[in-house]
Amino acid sequence: NAGVTQTPKFRILKIGQSMTLQCTQDMNHNYMYWYRQDPGMGLKLIYYSVGAGITDKGEVPNGYNVSRSTTEDFPLRLELAAPSQTSVYFCASRTGTGGYGYTFGSGTRLTVV
Amino acid sequence: AQSVTQPDIHITVSEGASLELRCNYSYGATPYLFWYVQSPGQGLQLLLKYFSGDTLVQGIKGFEAEFKRSQSSFNLRKPSVHWSDAAEYFCAVGANTGRRALTFGSGTRLQVQP
Repeated sequence: NAGVTQTPKFRILKIGQSMTLQCTQDMNHNYMYWYRQDPGMGLKLIYYSVGAGITDKGEVPNGYNVSRSTTEDFPLRLELAAPSQTSVYFCASRTGTGGYGYTFGSGTRLTVV
Repeated sequence: AQSVTQPDIHITVSEGASLELRCNYSYGATPYLFWYVQSPGQGLQLLLKYFSGDTLVQGIKGFEAEFKRSQSSFNLRKPSVHWSDAAEYFCAVGANTGRRALTFGSGTRLQVQP
């Protein structure tokens, strides 16, 4: 079982560039999340999805977009990258029923210069 | 809205000493509470979680946490710290309704002195 897979692991972007952070899970989880973690801080929720075709904003959505065309994939799009988006990005998923089985990806470290 | 406060940004303990990391939460109903550990450059590893029942929860690596509703606290403890426990520790609260997302505290960085 691969769990939650994030690519790439590292990326350097120039200001104004765009990129997509990929997230894939193979556990058939309905709920998926994108968090960012700034140095010395906890994780902040960017966007989440409760199922294919359904997404919604979290606490810090500005500058990002998401889509959920399949259960497995939940890509995060950065348009017009800014230095304030330098962070570590974590994708997570969980089942919608039963226990609170959160699974986190290993993260993408993004630097905007 | 739910929130989590970890009052201690940085804690240093000696190897073999006991450890307690504090966590206070704010949530309107019975919370789901978690402790995660993050080693430098790594992802998050779940140490333990509380949903209901026994308020003393045992986790991995010899950690335990106690839920105290009257104090809105979920402190993490370990009787004897090992050098490998040096890491960042995050407390989180979640709900089993709505978006079911976790809200994290800002973390406590643990240093272990030999």
